[in-house]
Amino acid sequence: DAKTTQPNSMESNEEEPVHLPCNHSTISGTDYIHWYRQLPSQGPEYVIHGLTSNVNNRMASLAIAEDRKSSTLILHRATLRDAAVYYCILRDLSNGANSKLTFGKGITLSVRP
Amino acid sequence: NAGVTQTPKFRILKIGQSMTLQCTQDMNHNYMYWYRQDPGMGLKLIYYSVGAGITDKGEVPNGYNVSRSTTEDFPLRLELAAPSQTSVYFCASSYNRDSGYTFGSGTRLTVV
Repeated sequence: DAKTTQPNSMESNEEEPVHLPCNHSTISGTDYIHWYRQLPSQGPEYVIHGLTSNVNNRMASLAIAEDRKSSTLILHRATLRDAAVYYCILRDLSNGANSKLTFGKGITLSVRP
Repeated sequence: NAGVTQTPKFRILKIGQSMTLQCTQDMNHNYMYWYRQDPGMGLKLIYYSVGAGITDKGEVPNGYNVSRSTTEDFPLRLELAAPSQTSVYFCASSYNRDSGYTFGSGTRLTVV
């Protein structure tokens, strides 16, 4: 599976937007970009995923670069509850049953009151 | 709707003991997965299943066994516990290979 690179950590202020970057320069045409987050002492939680076009849902937005070599997860108004580890993961669905999620270390987001 | 339920939440095992970590889901998901997470690290895939009666190894299968006799249940068996298996174990499920995963709340296992 292609690899992603994320900063180790990021800080933000409550009620301000947060942009979490992810680099995936070796992405292939069949790789979907997935984001999960893990709150302290909990299991990971699905946030959003996309292939080429920008995606929006109730939790966040995903902005994908035109060349697909990078993407940004956007939290529009950070809350204290958004403090978590955010994982950017590439998932190659052309692998059929072998298209599993492979987690890296993720980026730790801290939110200041 | 309970989602993915894992039991127990905590367990301490002595070296050489055996145990089964239980995982059940009520969403009629075909795919199920077992991950482990060591402190400060990301999750590593142990085993997965694409349907009842079908299982396959993930990244770190040594020391573990699984079975999938029903769609709902995917237990993880540790036969001879070792300190290296001290970790938090997460079970997950997905409807199909394109879907997002739903994770359980985890089992924290300590082997002493």
